[in-house]
Order: sequence, then C-alpha cells, then structure tokens
Amino acid sequence: DIQMTQSPSSLSASVGDRVTITCRASQDISNYLAWYQQKPGKAPKSLISAASSLQSGVPSKFSGSGSGTDFTLTISSLQPEDIATYYCQQYKSYPLTFGGGTKVEIK
Amino acid sequence: EVQLVESGGGLVQPGGSLRLSCAASGFTFTDYYMDWVRQAPGKGLEWVGRTRNKPSRYTTEYAASVRGRFTVSRDDSSSSVFLQMNSLKTEDTAVYYCARGAYCNGGFCPDNFAYWGRGTLVTVSS
Repeated sequence: DIQMTQSPSSLSASVGDRVTITCRASQDISNYLAWYQQKPGKAPKSLISAASSLQSGVPSKFSGSGSGTDFTLTISSLQPEDIATYYCQQYKSYPLTFGGGTKVEIK
Repeated sequence: EVQLVESGGGLVQPGGSLRLSCAASGFTFTDYYMDWVRQAPGKGLEWVGRTRNKPSRYTTEYAASVRGRFTVSRDDSSSSVFLQMNSLKTEDTAVYYCARGAYCNGGFCPDNFAYWGRGTLVTVSS
C-alpha cells in the first residue's frame, strides 16, 4: 500500500499569511495526487487534482505543486473561511489512500 | 448540478448487516466509477470501495479492512450505487460518503473524487 504522510498535522496562522502543507508518498505516484478541504460537520470538497490542477470554482489562492513523492498545497493569503482540515490523496494504485490531514486554524 | 444523496444509515448491532444507497443526478452516471469513503468519528478519511462502470466490466475494488464483508454495486437504470455491509464491527462506525470517481471509457482511468455526498452515519453498537 502507498502511505501518505502529511505535515504538519495542525497549524495556526494569522489572517493574510501564506500557508504551506506538505504531503509525502511512500513511493512514486507521478502526479496522481488530489487535495481536499473539509470544514467541520461537512463533506470533503475537492480543491486540486493531478497535483496542480485547480478544480472548477476553487479560488486561485489555492495552489498545488509537486511530482513523484513530494507535494505541497499552498494558500496564498489565509482567510477565516479557509479554516478546515486539508487532506491529500493518491489515486495511482489501490488501495486509494489519504494522508492523515492537516488542521488549519487562525492565530 | 451534480448531486449525490446517501441513505440507509443507522444503528446496528455487531455482526449485523446494513445496506447503504446513493442516488446520483446531474451527470451521466454510466460514464463514471463510483466510490464509498468513510470517516470514523474524529478521524481521517478512509477509502472503502469502488464500482467501475460498464466499459470497465463493472469490476470492483475494496480496502483490505472491508474485503469479504462489504459489497459495492450499482444500478445504472436508477443512477444508484449501493454498499452492502455484512458482519459489521464496532470499528465500522463512521460517516459513509458516496463519491464520484473517474470518468472512464475503459482502460486505466485515474482521477480524484470531484463530488461527494453529505454522508450517512452508521453506528455499530450493542
């Protein structure tokens, strides 16, 4: 199985800060990497697919990069509505696996 | 507008069975794989299983934790996907989400979960 490791597991940042979340795969997954945002009590929402392709309707403050085993999700300017837990997921091979999540809070 | 609406959750005793349903609308159901993903209380996301579509011969995939106990199926005539859960354990307690998988006409079709339902809660307890 491909293990997905996210860091940090939680972070606290100020409004307007640039926030970066990393995701590492235990083996090469090319660019078969997605990012999701989950707000409390809600279903996950797709942000990015293919490591860097923004889903339709997602604000451009979100961006993704990486290939192979190392990936990043960046929020260019953190806003209160971005408070959520963010998950990465690989879809290179079965079982499909998620990272453990990064909880983002406002300082 | 794509919509996925789950139903069938509830309280069940360990060893019991439950069947979840997901009604899909707003897209051509037959073009897509369909998946189930779950989330235990206070925990992260765990992929459960997948049903591929007709071009991919309706084949299925499962997480090791549910293989042999859970069955994913679909009914293209009603644009619905199902999760039959047998021999339930307390650790199966979770919110179960239906998610739209890859668009596929056969072959290797990797893709993320672009759309999710709101989920249905399954509680396994005596």
